[in-house]
Amino acid sequence: AQTVTQSQPEMSVQEAETVTLSCTYDTSENNYYLFWYKQPPSRQMILVIRQEAYKQQNATENRFSVNFQKAAKSFSLKISDSQLGDTAMYFCAFRQGGSEKLVFGKGTKLTVNP
Amino acid sequence: DGGITQSPKYLFRKEGQNVTLSCEQNLNHDAMYWYRQDPGQGLRLIYYSQIVNDFQKGDIAEGYSVSREKKESFPLTVTSAQKNPTAFYLCASSVTSGTGQYFGPGTRLTVT
Repeated sequence: AQTVTQSQPEMSVQEAETVTLSCTYDTSENNYYLFWYKQPPSRQMILVIRQEAYKQQNATENRFSVNFQKAAKSFSLKISDSQLGDTAMYFCAFRQGGSEKLVFGKGTKLTVNP
Repeated sequence: DGGITQSPKYLFRKEGQNVTLSCEQNLNHDAMYWYRQDPGQGLRLIYYSQIVNDFQKGDIAEGYSVSREKKESFPLTVTSAQKNPTAFYLCASSVTSGTGQYFGPGTRLTVT
């Protein structure tokens, strides 16, 4: 079974600085998708960024980018120019190609300090 | 505006009662999902449906039931057989093609 591990339960960063959240996963398949979700205090889950395993280019969405290392099974999220509104739980998720199931990590609580 | 709605936001029930959580989407998505979130945990899949009148069990389906009579709606019933029903429940939907899932605002269920 696929597993997703987020090794940093909590992190903090100063406003305007850059922070990187770690995620590793375990799979024997080649066709899969990876996601980062943000859950602010409102508890609404928001899709931040997605990556297809067959694409070598790292996905980018404005201030959010990923470092996808397929051989190392690593999928870290970098947040640049951190803003107070980035304070949230961040979940890494894995989806096998052809499957509808998302497997989530346990999350990293990020606090952006003024 | 397109989106996913869940109602109510907070729900309280006595032990032994069944309760149904509502989930509606107007995104024209084929697939819908129910997740449970407990404190300090990620999300765990309860049930999912890829098409009307069909659904599959997720990882923790025991004590839950669903129906998918309409594309837009995927209600979840928490039965009295669910041993620890108090949790935050999230509904999601997606286009079945590898895109991400989009979530509703969630329902906090408390059973006493």
